[in-house]
Amino acid sequence: EAGVVQSPRYKIIEKKQPVAFWCNPISGHNTLYWYRQNLGQGPELLIRYENEEAVDDSQLPKDRFSAERLKGVDSTLKIQPAELGDSAVYLCASSFLGTLYQETQYFGPGTRLLVL
Amino acid sequence: AQSVTQLGSHVSVSEGALVLLRCNYSSSVPPYLFWYVQYPNQGLQLLLKYTTGATLVKGINGFEAEFKKSETSFHLTKPSAHMSDAAEYFCAVSVDTGRRALTFGSGTRLQVQP
Repeated sequence: EAGVVQSPRYKIIEKKQPVAFWCNPISGHNTLYWYRQNLGQGPELLIRYENEEAVDDSQLPKDRFSAERLKGVDSTLKIQPAELGDSAVYLCASSFLGTLYQETQYFGPGTRLLVL
Repeated sequence: AQSVTQLGSHVSVSEGALVLLRCNYSSSVPPYLFWYVQYPNQGLQLLLKYTTGATLVKGINGFEAEFKKSETSFHLTKPSAHMSDAAEYFCAVSVDTGRRALTFGSGTRLQVQP
């Protein structure tokens, strides 16, 4: 079974430029998460989708970040314009949401973003 | 809201020695607890999880953790370290209400000396 796929793996951009990250979750998983992991820290949630609905985007900086999950499968996370502080690893995770105790989040390899 | 504290950002052990990585959590409702491992330039891989039932949880690669409610702890152990265990380890908590997302600790980097 294929895992969570993310692209690109690495991205270097100049500040004020736009950037987009793509995630393909595990087949059949109805829940998708985007996390941001700053250097030396644990991941922090940006947004959670249940199917195509964003059910928790309280931690998403909406002035510059946007996300979508078309048809409840693939998802794209966008930053426009990027700032120096956005340099981090962006992780996508997916799970099948049933009863929580059965839910395990599976993570992709992440996209490492460097903003110059 | 829940939180996780991992004591020790770096732990170094000799190959064959006991591995002990500490995790304490805070939650006002019954927690679900997880340990993930992250190898360089890779995503997070689930080692083990506690949901309900038996408080001693066994995971992959010989790791296990014990949920101790009275101590609000979920420490990760392995009897004998292997060189391949060198990685970053994250403890995480979630609950069955509200956000459902994982709240992670800041991680512990495990070094294994030959």
